[in-house]
Amino acid sequence: KNEVEQSPQNLTAQEGEFITINCSYSVGISALHWLQQHPGGGIVSLFMLSSGKKKHGRLIATINIQEKHSSLHITASHPRDSAVYICAVNYSGGGADGLTFGKGTHLIIQP
Amino acid sequence: DVKVTQSSRYLVKRTGEKVFLECVQDMDHENMFWYRQDPGLGLRLIYFSYDVKMKEKGDIPEGYSVSREKKERFSLILESASTNQTSMYLCASSLWQGSSYNEQFFGPGTRLTVL
Repeated sequence: KNEVEQSPQNLTAQEGEFITINCSYSVGISALHWLQQHPGGGIVSLFMLSSGKKKHGRLIATINIQEKHSSLHITASHPRDSAVYICAVNYSGGGADGLTFGKGTHLIIQP
Repeated sequence: DVKVTQSSRYLVKRTGEKVFLECVQDMDHENMFWYRQDPGLGLRLIYFSYDVKMKEKGDIPEGYSVSREKKERFSLILESASTNQTSMYLCASSLWQGSSYNEQFFGPGTRLTVL
């Protein structure tokens, strides 16, 4: 299976900054997911998208199918946004396949 | 509130022991998944199931088996635990609607240490 690449691996920013995390993949996908993992292990699904753009509060996710690229943006970042953000994809082909994951971006927002 | 629960948060076993990790979801989801998470490697799919008694191998099934006797329960079995199976194990479930994908709901994880 093809890999999912995320960048940056680590990101430290000041409170209030605009954050961008990138994700790229190499072959066709059916859906792309952005997940959030806080210390202690729990994983929460933030977005699932297959085209265009989605927004939820201060979080925005975009996907460009032609370029095989997605971005997760956080506006007006806050220390509570500190977490690992993980990009994952369902590869095309149908069925109930599990996800293929990027290695995650460790985000720290300093007050 | 939707829930995926796992039988243990922390587990310590000895090499060679048979280990059962249990996962239960209360959302009537068809699909259930087992992943493991390791530093530097991220999350990887071990097995998944799209229906009762059905199972499919994921990317790293070696050394594992699964059981799904009821829709809400998906068990991961380590037949003979080895130290390289020390890891965080995460269960997830999702709804299946024909050809479309849906978000996955994750359990809290089980941190397994094999001594």
